[in-house]
Amino acid sequence: NAGVTQTPKFQVLKTGQSMTLQCAQDMNHNSMYWYRQDPGMGLRLIYYSASEGTTDKGEVPNGYNVSRLNKREFSLRLESAAPSQTSVYFCASSEVGHRGRPEAFFGQGTRLTVV
Amino acid sequence: AQSVTQPDIHITVSEGASLELRCNYSYGATPYLFWYVQSPGQGLQLLLKYFSGDTLVQGIKGFEAEFKRSQSSFNLRKPSVHWSDAAEYFCAVGASGNQFYFGTGTSLTVIP
Repeated sequence: NAGVTQTPKFQVLKTGQSMTLQCAQDMNHNSMYWYRQDPGMGLRLIYYSASEGTTDKGEVPNGYNVSRLNKREFSLRLESAAPSQTSVYFCASSEVGHRGRPEAFFGQGTRLTVV
Repeated sequence: AQSVTQPDIHITVSEGASLELRCNYSYGATPYLFWYVQSPGQGLQLLLKYFSGDTLVQGIKGFEAEFKRSQSSFNLRKPSVHWSDAAEYFCAVGASGNQFYFGTGTSLTVIP
């Protein structure tokens, strides 16, 4: 019963490097999300995918790209990392269940430091 | 626009004392409301949720929350706090289109 799995758990990048954060869910959910968490800011939505084949910008999309590879996987890419992207990144998935009620499930997070 | 406000950034309580964490939301329609807990270095775990019906909802770990439409609030309570409850707590509202909006969180410290 894995739920939402994120890799890697920790990463240190140099400014200008690129990397991809991976996320996979095994709950057959249609919707997936990428959030970043910063002190005092709560969780801010970077991108989301309402269903396979669709992606949309959230509150803070600049400097990121995403790919909904299939129904299970949703990756987040930093093309040229900047120190401002030092954060904890969370992937989540959700489904609109009975009577249209949503519920989100979260991965364990990726702690990214850009130096 | 949808928003969630958690007015208390940090709360300290003694072990065994009661706890109330405040949450106010702004949402035009009937809200779906959630409380999540995040232990240090961990992801977010769902404590409880409100969709409709009884305005007092029970969750895991002895937590409960009360939905008050007139006050646009969904405060989290626990009658007796344990040291293991020290964590960060997030209130969230679920909106149409399967969107979620989070508050900025309340950090709870429990002192012996």
